[in-house]
Amino acid sequence: VQLVESGGGVVQPGGSLRLSCEASEFTFSSYGMHWVRQAPGKGLDWVAFIRFDGSDKFYADSVKGRFTISRDNSKNTLYLQMNSLRAEDTAVYYCAKTYGSGSRIDYWGQGTLVTVSS
Amino acid sequence: IQMTQSPSSLSASVGDRVTITCRASQGISNFLAWFQQKPGKAPKSLIYSASTLQTGVPSKFSGSGSGTEFTLTISSLQPDDFAIYYCQQYYTYPITFGQGTRLEIK
Repeated sequence: VQLVESGGGVVQPGGSLRLSCEASEFTFSSYGMHWVRQAPGKGLDWVAFIRFDGSDKFYADSVKGRFTISRDNSKNTLYLQMNSLRAEDTAVYYCAKTYGSGSRIDYWGQGTLVTVSS
Repeated sequence: IQMTQSPSSLSASVGDRVTITCRASQGISNFLAWFQQKPGKAPKSLIYSASTLQTGVPSKFSGSGSGTEFTLTISSLQPDDFAIYYCQQYYTYPITFGQGTRLEIK
């Protein structure tokens, strides 16, 4: 299993950013995927989940209405569109693969850093 | 669902056996996972369904519990085991993590 995140960087408050997670070495279209973040020096914070076929999506209250999770199974890629970014969104963002049809995580990517600062 | 780990930090010596507790604010059956994270690295999955070892995880790690109280036990501590450990419930959304337990070398 390989999960490679990209798209992180520095963005001003109120700005937007789109993260990508390119998957390989497994059948991407068969598994649900999560985004989990970690603010500097803090613990793990679940962000969003999408089912294998995109039919269901769930979000943390802190990002609902601002972030959108999506996937392109033809490109083996997961996305996180982040709008109206705030300083408290500053974190390393990890994508994570689920096992089977459920929601438990078995593999993690290496993460991409998002910094929201003026 | 709020997940509360105790202790928040723990000092132990090589060779020791330690136990970390995770409590859920409501019943989650056995939908509980444990992760290990080392500085600057992504988390690593250790245990799922409260007590089942992820493939490749050594048997020195063990988990138990159901409902609202869970434990992670690590036996015969080695230098590579000193890390931060997180529990996570995946019983319902939003998925939630414990605040983490930092395991340090005494």
